[in-house]
Amino acid sequence: QVQLQESGPGLVKSSGTLSLTCAVSGDSITSTNWWSWVRQPPGKGLEWIGEIYHRGTTNCSPSLKSRVTMSVDKSKNQFSLNLSSVTAADTAVYYCARRGGYFEDYWGQGTLVTVSS
Amino acid sequence: QSALTQSRSVSGSPGQSVTISCTGTSSDVGSYSYVSWYKQHPGKAPKLMIYDVNKRPSGVPDRFSGSKSGNTASLSISGLQAEDEADYYCSSYAGTFTVFGGGTKLTVL
Repeated sequence: QVQLQESGPGLVKSSGTLSLTCAVSGDSITSTNWWSWVRQPPGKGLEWIGEIYHRGTTNCSPSLKSRVTMSVDKSKNQFSLNLSSVTAADTAVYYCARRGGYFEDYWGQGTLVTVSS
Repeated sequence: QSALTQSRSVSGSPGQSVTISCTGTSSDVGSYSYVSWYKQHPGKAPKLMIYDVNKRPSGVPDRFSGSKSGNTASLSISGLQAEDEADYYCSSYAGTFTVFGGGTKLTVL
């Protein structure tokens, strides 16, 4: 059974960098799957952030591309997200997920990140 | 890029059928057979219900079906049950990234 678990600070200061990690179990980060991040502002819809392959190749939403950095740690079977220059608009529940193809088939439980001024 | 367009809400009585639509553009829904649908209960992670327009993951009832015509994809649910009440989101591959719809709240009356 594939399981994903997000971790990271729940509070980030405005203009700072949001950093999250997703620990994967039940699958290898070096499998043929891609790994993604999706966020959901409180009371709003889902927004796809980006995806990463274990060799380091990434794809990002055009609206976030300039602020997003993603990486993979094969030794820990996990992947990470950095979002820079955050504002209140980046307050959201952040989900990590596995891409089974062109879709997310396994999701973490999500973690709320609040940007404070 | 813009989010895919979904109706805000839809409702139906138990046993009835409902259809949720998802309208994109020729750059996403219209160009790729990579539309997926997710069900989300409040405070929970989304759950994959349909992928590649009309394929069901293992464990998803065959009451759920997907289709696509032009720039619009649809999720149909037959034999509505109380447990179907949730938010539903569509998503589509758009070349190098994925875009979600704004979500549709399904109410079972």
